[in-house]
Amino acid sequence: NAGVTQTPKFQVLKTGQSMTLQCAQDMNHEYMSWYRQDPGMGLRLIHYSVGAGITDQGEVPNGYNVSRSTTEDFPLRLLSAAPSQTSVYFCATGGGGGGHGYTFGSGTRLTVV
Amino acid sequence: RKEVEQDPGPFNVPEGATVAFNCTYSNSASQSFFWYRQDCRKEPKLLMSVYSSGNEDGRFTAQLNRASQYISLLIRDSKLSDSATYLCVVTWGSGNTPLVFGKGTRLSVIA
Repeated sequence: NAGVTQTPKFQVLKTGQSMTLQCAQDMNHEYMSWYRQDPGMGLRLIHYSVGAGITDQGEVPNGYNVSRSTTEDFPLRLLSAAPSQTSVYFCATGGGGGGHGYTFGSGTRLTVV
Repeated sequence: RKEVEQDPGPFNVPEGATVAFNCTYSNSASQSFFWYRQDCRKEPKLLMSVYSSGNEDGRFTAQLNRASQYISLLIRDSKLSDSATYLCVVTWGSGNTPLVFGKGTRLSVIA
């Protein structure tokens, strides 16, 4: 039982490149979300999904796309990487109502040069 | 704007000390409340949920005051292993709704 798996753990991109950050969960949770964490800014919500086929924007969605074709997977796509997207990205999942909290993946450290 | 405000810290305390963290949230309709712990370069992990009646888990006590929109975390008999950043977290609404995070308070427990 792996929980929440994020890949890759580290990535360096050049400005303008695109890539997909993967998030997979085996907890059968309906809710999945992506956050970015920057020094002094805390965790900020990028996109989230309450179930397969449903996605919504968070606080900082610009420059990112998501889709949710299955319960298990919620990939985050960077369309054209910019240095401002250098950050640590966390995927989180939850189920059974918000009162149980959410489980985070171990994160992806992305550097855009 | 959805906001969760925390003491900025850092808190540097000796082993065995009692330390308290405070948090306020801006949305009076918020339904669920948590404290998360985050170690350096790691993901946040759920420390405990916070209930209206207050709740305790070993050395940790959490309290919620809905009228004042205020949450607290008390750590008694601090251990070196308690050194981490503590995040105050609120869900906006009921059900599977997004988490809104405070910026965290850093705690260093010193021998």
